[in-house]
Amino acid sequence: GDSVTQMEGPVTLSEEAFLTINCTYTATGYPSLFWYVQYPGEGLQLLLKATKADDKGSNKGFEATYRKETTSFHLEKGSVQVSDSAVYFCALHGSSNTGKLIFGQGTTLQVKP
Amino acid sequence: DSGVTQTPKHLITATGQRVTLRCSPRSGDLSVYWYQQSLDQGLQFLIQYYNGEERAKGNILERFSAQQFPDLHSELNLSSLELGDSALYFCASSLGKLAGKETQYFGPGTRLLVL
Repeated sequence: GDSVTQMEGPVTLSEEAFLTINCTYTATGYPSLFWYVQYPGEGLQLLLKATKADDKGSNKGFEATYRKETTSFHLEKGSVQVSDSAVYFCALHGSSNTGKLIFGQGTTLQVKP
Repeated sequence: DSGVTQTPKHLITATGQRVTLRCSPRSGDLSVYWYQQSLDQGLQFLIQYYNGEERAKGNILERFSAQQFPDLHSELNLSSLELGDSALYFCASSLGKLAGKETQYFGPGTRLLVL
């Protein structure tokens, strides 16, 4: 079945460092791909999305490119801030076409000043 | 603020009890989704409703049920609660017109603690 695998956390970076959080997926067809972020004590917020191969989603300095050849959707940011500390979830729409989201296990990012 | 509201924010109850979680979707959204977030299982899809009808079912236990009302709000009923049901329960909504392509907007969640 469809699945999403994220790199294990926690990831600890210094402020202004470069961030990469790896995400790979297994799915039939061409699922839409998402990154959601969960700040401490809050719900999930959509960070960015891509709906077809080679699309690049971007928001708040974060970027991810839908790579069908490597089945990946890695999240990147050139210069992280302390306020980026959160849990990041990679997700895809399941191939059943019902809208069900399948999430990775989440990666905790801690940014130190 | 996503526009999706959930009540209550926190719920503490005992094993064997029954609780109801409530969700109001964003204005104009017809689809509502329920997800469970637990430490051991991660984020898992439970069930989806579209305009009052059940559209998809995920890993939802038989002790759990949901419905979507004519005003489009939804309720998730959890009964015969067990310690392992302690989790964060999220509701999400989307327009519902393009299944599999739409962005889902999440509420702040209800944290359930079963003692």
